[in-house]
Amino acid sequence: AQKVTQAQTEISVVEKEDVTLDCVYETRDTTYYLFWYKQPPSGELVFLIRRNSFDEQNEISGRYSWNFQKSTSSFNFTITASQVVDSAVYFCALSEEAAGNKLTFGGGTRVLVKP
Amino acid sequence: GAGVSQTPSNKVTEKGKYVELRCDPISGHTALYWYRQSLGQGPEFLIYFQGTGAADDSGLPNDRFFAVRPEGSVSTLKIQRTERGDSAVYLCASSPAGLAGANEQFFGPGTRLTVL
Repeated sequence: AQKVTQAQTEISVVEKEDVTLDCVYETRDTTYYLFWYKQPPSGELVFLIRRNSFDEQNEISGRYSWNFQKSTSSFNFTITASQVVDSAVYFCALSEEAAGNKLTFGGGTRVLVKP
Repeated sequence: GAGVSQTPSNKVTEKGKYVELRCDPISGHTALYWYRQSLGQGPEFLIYFQGTGAADDSGLPNDRFFAVRPEGSVSTLKIQRTERGDSAVYLCASSPAGLAGANEQFFGPGTRLTVL
């Protein structure tokens, strides 16, 4: 069975600080996909990134970066130089090839960036 | 282009009533998903369609919940004899055909269902 754990329920930072969101997953499948989504106050989920289980390269996109470590079953997300607009709930999610396309989400981490 | 749309945006109903929630996926997307998000939690999978057929309905909580996609485009989630515990935001997502599990799912704005 697949499971995603986001241990941090809420993180509060001051603008320009870096913030790292933890994500730990469980799966028995060898082929799986990991995702991060952002849910701003408006409520609509916004896709940020997808990684497959065979690609452990870290990725950077602007102020966002992701660290995928299969050895620790983690897929952490860092926002560098945070801005007020980054305030949102961030969800990590997993899909297993054997289980089709359904996403299993973590409980989410609320990020509050104060000016 | 147009994204995933869901109607109504809000639905208030009384316990025991029947409700229908509609999802219009992105044009050309063959896969359609329904999720339910309770307050303060992550979305939970309900059902997944590939074309007209339900490929996986393992997330439907009980037989009061049913979903259809008769022409492989628009989908309707139907809830019979609603209960207060059904109150949540119901999210719809779609993705293009392709490698299973690999595709990004595009989410709609959701329907907030409140059962009084």
